[in-house]
Amino acid sequence: EVQLLESGGGLAQPGGSLRLSCAASGFTFSNYAMSWVRQAPGKGLEWLSAISGSGSTIYYAVSVQGRFTISRDNSKNTLYLQMDSLRAEDTAFYYCAKDLFVRMKVVVDYWGQGTLVTVSS
Amino acid sequence: EIVLTQSPATLSLSPGERATLSCRASQSVSSYLVWYQQKPGQAPRLLIYDASNRATGTPARFSGSGSGTDFTLTISSLEPADFAVYYCQQRSNWPITFGQGTRLEIK
Repeated sequence: EVQLLESGGGLAQPGGSLRLSCAASGFTFSNYAMSWVRQAPGKGLEWLSAISGSGSTIYYAVSVQGRFTISRDNSKNTLYLQMDSLRAEDTAFYYCAKDLFVRMKVVVDYWGQGTLVTVSS
Repeated sequence: EIVLTQSPATLSLSPGERATLSCRASQSVSSYLVWYQQKPGQAPRLLIYDASNRATGTPARFSGSGSGTDFTLTISSLEPADFAVYYCQQRSNWPITFGQGTRLEIK
């Protein structure tokens, strides 16, 4: 059974940093591209970043380019999102997301339960 | 970036009725359009990918159609479990973008 378990959310100050982790199990992690998607409370979905199975190819949304860094450790079956220079508008639930396909296509067939990040002073 | 506009914002229907949800792209996304369903307090669920392919476990009452800039998600006969928010997403161009969602509510 595929499981994605996010951690690392919480309260951060504006300008601060947080690192989210997503522990994956139930599939060959290194074979699949992964993404981070967020959702502000009561709002819609926003794709943030994607990384290929090997980690060699990465894409970002404009809203987080230069502030957030996606990475993965295939030896630990873990996906990361380093979030720097946080802003109030980054407050959201952050979801780890697995690609349906081996190639990076961003069709998400499994989602984590989400971790809440709140940016406030 | 490609903007996806979903309509209507809210759709009020009764169980057993047919639902038609629209997603329009600001430029062609070919057939690279995905539909998700989200219920309150839950993560989204994949329904349809590449415009018309049902994901594993998606009931046959859900169908997707369209290409280029205009796409439709149709639910042939609504069941109580289908009342939720539906999002479209394009995977044609980076950055990936989502529509703003259509809320399907019980009339």
